[in-house]
Amino acid sequence: AQTVTQSQPEMSVQEAETVTLSCTYDTSESDYYLFWYKQPPSRQMILVIRQEAYKQQNATENRFSVNFQKAAKSFSLKISDSQLGDAAMYFCAYRSWQGGSEKLVFGKGTKLTVNP
Amino acid sequence: DAGITQSPRHKVTETGTPVTLRCHQTENHRYMYWYRQDPGHGLRLIHYSYGVKDTDKGEVSDGYSVSRSKTEDFLLTLESATSSQTSVYFCAISESVLGNTSGYTFGSGTRLTVV
Repeated sequence: AQTVTQSQPEMSVQEAETVTLSCTYDTSESDYYLFWYKQPPSRQMILVIRQEAYKQQNATENRFSVNFQKAAKSFSLKISDSQLGDAAMYFCAYRSWQGGSEKLVFGKGTKLTVNP
Repeated sequence: DAGITQSPRHKVTETGTPVTLRCHQTENHRYMYWYRQDPGHGLRLIHYSYGVKDTDKGEVSDGYSVSRSKTEDFLLTLESATSSQTSVYFCAISESVLGNTSGYTFGSGTRLTVV
C-alpha cells in the first residue's frame, strides 16, 4: 500500500521569507499524481499544487513550487515570500490508480506558522 | 469547480445511536470518498465509491457503512456511534477523466461529537 510521510509536524517562517515543507512517499507505481493541500483554520481543503509523475518539470503556482525527485520519492513544497495568510496545515497527498480504482492517500500534515 | 455539500455541518449524538452523514455533488463525478480527520493522523480514508452501488473499504472502515443509490449522493452511516468516532468527516470527489485528474474537491466537513 502507498504511504505518505511528512516528517515535520510543525514549521515556522518569518513573513516574506521562504520555507520548504518535506514529503516522501512509498509506491511501486510508475505513473501517479501528487498534491499539496492547504487547510486554514476554516478547515476548508484547498488545492495548492499538483504534480504528474511522468512530467519531470516541477510544478509552480505563483509563490508555491515543488521539488519533485521521482527516484528519491520526494515531493517538497517551497513557499516563497511567505504571507500571514499562508499560515495553515499543509497536507501532502498521493493519488493511486490501480485496476481502474483511484484513491487519495494523505500524510499526517505540517502545521505552518507565519510570524510577522 | 464541482459543487459538493455535506450535511450536517455539526452534530452531537449519544453513544450507541445511529448517525448518517450526507454528501451531495452537483455534477456526475464517478468517484466519491469519505475521510475522517483527527489530530496527528491527517485524513484517513473510510470508504469510497466508484459508481452507483459500487463501494469499497478504506483503511479505517470498521464501524462505518456507506451507500450510493444515486450518482450525486454518498451517505456515511455509523450504525452505533462510539466516542472513538468523534472526528471531523470530509467528503471528497475526484475530478478525473479517463484516469487523468485535475484534483479533488472537498466538502466543508462535518464535526461529529459522540458523547
